[in-house]
Order: sequence, then structure tokens, then C-alpha cells
Amino acid sequence: EIVLTQSPGTLSLSPGERATLSCRASHSVVSDYLAWYQQKPGQAPRLLIYHASSRATGIPDRFSASGSATDFTLTISRLEPEDFALYFCQQYGSSPTSFGQGTKLEIK
Amino acid sequence: QVQLVQSGAEVKKPGSSVKVSCKASGGTFSTFSISWVRQVPGEGLEWMGRIVPILGTPIYSQRFQGRVTITADTSTSTVYMELSSLRSEDTAVYYCARDLRWFDPWGQGTLVTVSS
Repeated sequence: EIVLTQSPGTLSLSPGERATLSCRASHSVVSDYLAWYQQKPGQAPRLLIYHASSRATGIPDRFSASGSATDFTLTISRLEPEDFALYFCQQYGSSPTSFGQGTKLEIK
Repeated sequence: QVQLVQSGAEVKKPGSSVKVSCKASGGTFSTFSISWVRQVPGEGLEWMGRIVPILGTPIYSQRFQGRVTITADTSTSTVYMELSSLRSEDTAVYYCARDLRWFDPWGQGTLVTVSS
């Protein structure tokens, strides 16, 4: 199973700042099959990104992602108050699919 | 668009079983793949298994093989996940999600509490 390690565990920033979240895989992710999700307290995860860099329907363009093989990044260009949440990455290139442990983005 | 609505919270005794439902609306249910993912409080997400209702044959994570059963009722557009031999470590929120290899959308989640 591919292990995904997200860093940092917690990221403290202010609205308007830029956020950079990392997801590192223990083995190369086949075809860069990696997704990113946002989760707010008491809610289900919401898909942000699939295929490493494709934004899901309705996701604002301040969210972008990049990367390949073992190193992937989610960037939020200018943080809005509603962006403070938990973020997970998921690889679906190898079975079984697996998730990172999450990065908590909190208000500084 | 596709919406998934799950059954309500459950409290179960250790050793018992729980069955959670996930009703789909919108889209063509029988051709979806629906997965179940759980989230232990304060921890990450864990994939449990999936089913394509029109095919009927589920695929399970090795971690849950033998304890989880996923079924589908195409007449009611509902997928079920049953977990047996419950232990305290199974206390978690259980989500269904449309499985496009990535997951979208998700059900609202069902909290299952295992406690004596």
C-alpha cells in the first residue's frame, strides 16, 4: 500500500496569505492519480482536485495543485476565511487507494 | 446532480453488527461505483470497499475482509455496508461516496459508536 505523508501537520496563516500544502508518497503514484479534499468540522470531505491538477466543478481558481511521481502540492493563492479547514490527499493509482493523514489549516 | 443520503447514527455493543445505508438520487445509480470510507475520530480516512450495483460484486479492503459486507438494492437506489464483530476501535464516521477513483460526492456520514 502506498503511504501518503502530508506536511505540515498544522499550518497557521492569516486571511489573504498564500498556503502551500505538501503530500509525499512512499512510492510513485501511477499516472499522477492524486486527489485533494477539503473537510470542515462536522462535514464530509469535498473534492477539490483530481488527476493531480484538475479542479473539480465549482472549486474557485484560488485553489491550484501540481506535482508528479512522489511529490504533490496544493496551493491556495489568497486565503479566504472559509478556507480554514482540514485537507487530505488521496492516491488512486494503486490498489488499495490510500489517504494522507491531513493538514489542518488554521487561522493565525 | 448525484446526492447520497445516509442512515442515522448508531450505538452498538462490542461483538454486534451494524448496517448503514446510502441512498442515491440523480444520475444512473446502477452504473455508479459506490465506496465506503471511514474516519476514526481525530484520524485520517480509510477505504473499506466498493460495489458497482449493476455488477453486484463487491471489492473489499484486505483490512476489513471477512468483517464487511457491501450490497446494493437497485430497486431503491440504495447501497448498504454491514460491519460485523464490532470492537471499540470501529467507533468512527462511515461515509459512502461515488467512486470515480476519486470520491465525489460524499454522503453526509454516519457516526457508529461501539460501546458496552
